[in-house]
This record gives sequence, C-alpha cells and structure tokens, in this order.
Amino acid sequence: DAGVIQSPRHEVTEMGQEVTLRCKPISGHNSLFWYRQTMMRGLELLIYFNNNVPIDDSGMPEDRFSAKMPNASFSTLKIQPSEPRDSAVYFCASSRDSYGYTFGSGTRLTVV
Amino acid sequence: KQEVTQIPAALSVPEGENLVLNCSFTDSAIYNLQWFRQDPGKGLTSLLLIQSSQREQTSGRLNASLDKSSGRSTLYIAASQPGDSATYLCAVRRGNAGNMLTFGGGTRLMVKP
Repeated sequence: DAGVIQSPRHEVTEMGQEVTLRCKPISGHNSLFWYRQTMMRGLELLIYFNNNVPIDDSGMPEDRFSAKMPNASFSTLKIQPSEPRDSAVYFCASSRDSYGYTFGSGTRLTVV
Repeated sequence: KQEVTQIPAALSVPEGENLVLNCSFTDSAIYNLQWFRQDPGKGLTSLLLIQSSQREQTSGRLNASLDKSSGRSTLYIAASQPGDSATYLCAVRRGNAGNMLTFGGGTRLMVKP
C-alpha cells in the first residue's frame, strides 16, 4: 500500500489566490481527516469525513476554507482567497474503524 | 473538551540512556491512544497504538503504557540512539462515535552521540 498520498508537497502562492490541496486515503479506510500544523498552534483538526460525509467541520477557520470528498478515494481542501496567515503544513490522514491513523507527508503551503 | 498535555516539551539526553516521555489527558473516555514520531519537515509516523482495553504495547525498543483511570500514558525508549532524535506526539481518540484525534503539543527529543 502506498499510504496516504498528498499533493502537492509544496505550494507557494500569492495572497488572494485560490489554493487546492489533494489527498488520496488508503484504500479501505472509511474516515479521512484534514489537519493543519503551525509552530504556534501545533496540530489542529480542520474537518473530518466518515464514509465520504463531513461529520465535523468546526475546526475550519472561516468560510474561505472548504473541503470535499466526492468519493472514497479522493478529498480536496480549498482555500479561497488565501492569506499569509494560512501558511502552514496541511496534513491528511485516514483510518479504518478501531485502527490507528495513517498520515500523509503533508503539503507545505506558503502564502506571500 | 479533551485536552492532551505532554511533558517535557523538550529533552536532551546522551546516547544510551533509557528515557520516558509523558502524556496526560483530561477525559478518560477514550477509544484508543496513539504515539507518533515526527522528524523535522516530515509527516507523522505511527509508533504504537493502544486500545482503551489494553495496558501497554511494545515495539522493539519502544514500550507505551496506558492508565485510563489516571489519564496518563508513557512512552519508554530503551537504549536511546541519535536516530531517535525527533518530536514525539501522543494523541487520544474519543469514543468510536467521534473519530477525532486530539494531539498533545509534543516532546522534542535530542539524543546526543
């Protein structure tokens, strides 16, 4: 298994631009999570899906952030418009039932 | 609301020492607890997963214990090596109805040769 796959690995964009982060979970996993990591705030859960349905999006900072999971093998996290304070590492993770989480390698986003 | 605390925030030890990393959580109604390792600029690698019904898990030189009633877990690293240098994170998962992991702030470990 290739694990959780995220793309791109790095993204540099200008303030105001739209950014889309992508995630392919492990096949057979029924839960998918988006986390954001910064030095100041550590790891924060943004949103999670169970069986492709968003269950809790209370961690999404504001309306500029949106996430979708159109099928069991793909999810996107979109920021529109992006701002410098969105700069962080964004992680996607997946899990199945009582098993542990598996994290992707992350996308390092820099908004200038 | 579940809160997870890791002490110490940073630790520096000479190679060969046995060491213990601590994790505490405020709500004992957990489903499981997972320890991760994160190298600088990298993602999180799962080390050990302890289900709520278990008391400990072992993998190689690593041993993790769980005491739900006191809200504590420890990660024991035997005979530490420079390659163990990384940030170690513990995370607790709520009951199965809510799958979210809540992370501690991590312990940054440096093992000096």
